[in-house]
Order: sequence, then structure tokens, then C-alpha cells
Amino acid sequence: AQSVTQLGSHVSVSEGALVLLRCNYSSSVPPYLFWYVQYPNQGLQLLLKYTTGATLVKGINGFEAEFKKSETSFHLTKPSAHMSDAAEYFCAVSGPSGSARQLTFGSGTQLTVLP
Amino acid sequence: DVKVTQSSRYLVKRTGEKVFLECVQDMDHENMFWYRQDPGLGLRLIYFSYDVKMKEKGDIPEGYSVSREKKERFSLILESASTNQTSMYLCASSFLQGNNSPLHFGNGTRLTVT
Repeated sequence: AQSVTQLGSHVSVSEGALVLLRCNYSSSVPPYLFWYVQYPNQGLQLLLKYTTGATLVKGINGFEAEFKKSETSFHLTKPSAHMSDAAEYFCAVSGPSGSARQLTFGSGTQLTVLP
Repeated sequence: DVKVTQSSRYLVKRTGEKVFLECVQDMDHENMFWYRQDPGLGLRLIYFSYDVKMKEKGDIPEGYSVSREKKERFSLILESASTNQTSMYLCASSFLQGNNSPLHFGNGTRLTVT
């Protein structure tokens, strides 16, 4: 079985500040890890994913995440927040087959960007 | 760009009604999914389909059924709507082949059952 914990259901940052959204996972097999973003009144879209190889993964809109096996973490970061980053962010984990059927989502983190 | 279209953005139904939520994708994806999104619970898989007329239960299938008669269309059916089915429903699709194929989501249907 696998699970995802997103620490902090709401995070607020000032425009231009560092964004850090936390995600920890548990999995009995090497995981595939994903971050999805949901803008207001829209569906989710993929920000980035980790499968194998380089543990620092770069995504769209300047976001990146680092897979740390020893910490079972996959935190999402962006050096400088922009107002347009305000959205809900979901971390997700799947088993080694990467099957979407096995995808488990976290409960989400709502990011607010203050002017 | 992949487009996943959900037929209704908002729906209001009465308890006991039969409700159909429709989803169409235009990228010839094999996989299609129905999720339910509730605050604090993230997304939970209701049903998914990997081919026409094929379906598998997800994590919370009780009270729901699905239909996939054509590859591009996946319908979620609430046989007798109840107030605890008030929620946001998200449809998604992806390629069957190729692990880690990303999910492409529709904009969601917000269903209220009164």
C-alpha cells in the first residue's frame, strides 16, 4: 500500500518569496512521484514527475522538486513566487509500473500569494 | 492539446434522481477515469476504464456505475443520488501504454444533491 502526506493544507507566501510545499510518501516499492496543480475552476495539470534517474526534477512555470529517498520526501519549490502561482497543489505517488490506476493523491495544499 | 470535456460545470439534483455525468476526450486515450474531489481528502478514484466496455472499480465505487460504449466517452452514473454524493467530480484520461503517462483532466462537474 502507498500513501501521501502533504504537510500544511494552506500555505501563504509573499510575492517574490520562496515557495516550499511539502510532500512525504510511503511506498513498499520504489515510487513514481508527481506534482499536479489545480488553478481555480479548472482541472488538474501535471507540473512535474520523478520516475528514475536524476533526483532533482524541473517542471513547468519554474517549479522543481527533489526526490529524497532517505527522507521519503518529494518537496516542491520555486525560488520566487508570482501571483499567478496561487492554486491548489497535489502530490501523488504510484507504484513502479507507473500505472495511473495505482495513483494515490495527497489531500492538497492551497497556495496563497500575497502582494 | 489534449482536451477532456465534461458536459456540465454545475448540476443540482434531488435525492433519489438518476444522474449522468458525461466526459469526452479527443486524444484517442485508452484510459479514462472518474475521480471525486472533496476538501481535505484530495482525489479519490471511483472507477476507471482501460478500453471500450472494460471497467474496474476504484477506491470508492459504492453508489456509482460507469459506461464506456465508445473509446472517447466515459459516463459516470449515480443510480439514486444521495446528499453524501454532493461533490466535485473530475474526469481524466491517459494513454494505456507508456508508464507514467500523465493524466489529462477535465474542468470538473460540481454536483449538488438536495
